[in-house]
Amino acid sequence: SQQGEEDPQALSIQEGENATMNCSYKTSINNLQWYRQNSGRGLVHLILIRSNEREKHSGRLRVTLDTSKKSSSLLITASRAADTASYFCATAVSGYSTLTFGKGTMLLVSP
Amino acid sequence: GAVVSQHPSRVICKSGTSVKIECRSLDFQATTMFWYRQFPKQSLMLMATSNEGSKATYEQGVEKDKFLINHASLTLSTLTVTSAHPEDSSFYICSARLSTGHNQPQHFGDGTRLSIL
Repeated sequence: SQQGEEDPQALSIQEGENATMNCSYKTSINNLQWYRQNSGRGLVHLILIRSNEREKHSGRLRVTLDTSKKSSSLLITASRAADTASYFCATAVSGYSTLTFGKGTMLLVSP
Repeated sequence: GAVVSQHPSRVICKSGTSVKIECRSLDFQATTMFWYRQFPKQSLMLMATSNEGSKATYEQGVEKDKFLINHASLTLSTLTVTSAHPEDSSFYICSARLSTGHNQPQHFGDGTRLSIL
């Protein structure tokens, strides 16, 4: 069964704006990961954040994790048309476990 | 680094045909590979976990005789959809995880679009 629920399901913004996507989950986790999927392609790993971490950055990406609320957010700053994709959060209950994916957020960035 | 190659990218075939999909880790060793199925505009559903040198672990509801998985080496896992029917049409994606395993992300192939006529 799916653990993560992304919010919003779809997001449409203009280039240069920031995009924020949220993910909620139900059980305790070891780590949470964010992936991007371009239409008709595989997934690309963006960031892995462990349960003892609160925030992580990678370029224009910022991920936060609040284990007390069982939620995470992905912020993309200064978005570009090339950021148009679906974004999924995925949770792992241990360092070696399988991933459970959320339903994803479809992001559309217009030039 | 950490490139996963999946082949073929698209298959169109008649009902009753068996289809084999390959997943290769090109520049790393993967003791564990994963097979997912994705329906249009939906999330990924894990079908099975493929372990090198041992039997795959299937998720509940996935028929192991229908979806045969072989992981014969540290860089290759195959998924064979046997006697495929139109309801098997879907997007199948594989992923691989570094052998070191712990707290490692999965690296995905580009998927296989399977269409059964």
